[in-house]
Amino acid sequence: DTGVSQDPRHKITKRGQNVTFRCDPISEHNRLYWYRQTLGQGPEFLTYFQNEAQLEKSRLLSDRFSAERPKGSFSTLEIQRTEQGDSAMYLCASSSVLQQETQYFGPGTRLLVL
Amino acid sequence: DAKTTQPTSMDCAEGRAANLPCNHSTISGNEYVYWYRQIHSQGPQYIIHGLKNNETNEMASLIITEDRKSSTLILPHATLRDTAVYYCIVPIGAAGNKLTFGGGTRVLVKP
Repeated sequence: DTGVSQDPRHKITKRGQNVTFRCDPISEHNRLYWYRQTLGQGPEFLTYFQNEAQLEKSRLLSDRFSAERPKGSFSTLEIQRTEQGDSAMYLCASSSVLQQETQYFGPGTRLLVL
Repeated sequence: DAKTTQPTSMDCAEGRAANLPCNHSTISGNEYVYWYRQIHSQGPQYIIHGLKNNETNEMASLIITEDRKSSTLILPHATLRDTAVYYCIVPIGAAGNKLTFGGGTRVLVKP
């Protein structure tokens, strides 16, 4: 399968713990995006990378959230000191520079903070 | 992103065509119309996009009005697997950095 993959698919954690999610984009795509989706809502943009550079961050991305893409391939999204409000589906997408809006999404990581 | 307006929900009979409307009256000349869908518990899936001309691919057809203020996504022969939330999106043409998903249209295909 050459699509976008995310790991883990599900994560249950206790409030205050740190969690890290991984995204592997489609191999030839140099743009990578993170979105968050809460129940009943559409996905909301968090941040995106072009190669290893993080070019934009949403106001939704508080200082407890950090994303990296160290070698321009896979990316990680870390949430520190999780809160119950962080419970959501975290989606990763990738695209090529030439077709930025044609984004291919992974299956998501569903986070539940107890 | 240009604002889009879609009906909240619609039903469709299996095997019939599903016509999903979208209004984007503030769209500018170089902005594309994109359609994505999201099947329950999955990530969004790209369907089709267009600028001025009608477009067709293996999944759907996209009809854009001449003034570009509205469009219709057509699923020619809806199946139960087409039950999903369908999003009409007009990304900012120059930036294209992110997609802004509204509420979408919840389509239920019934047998």
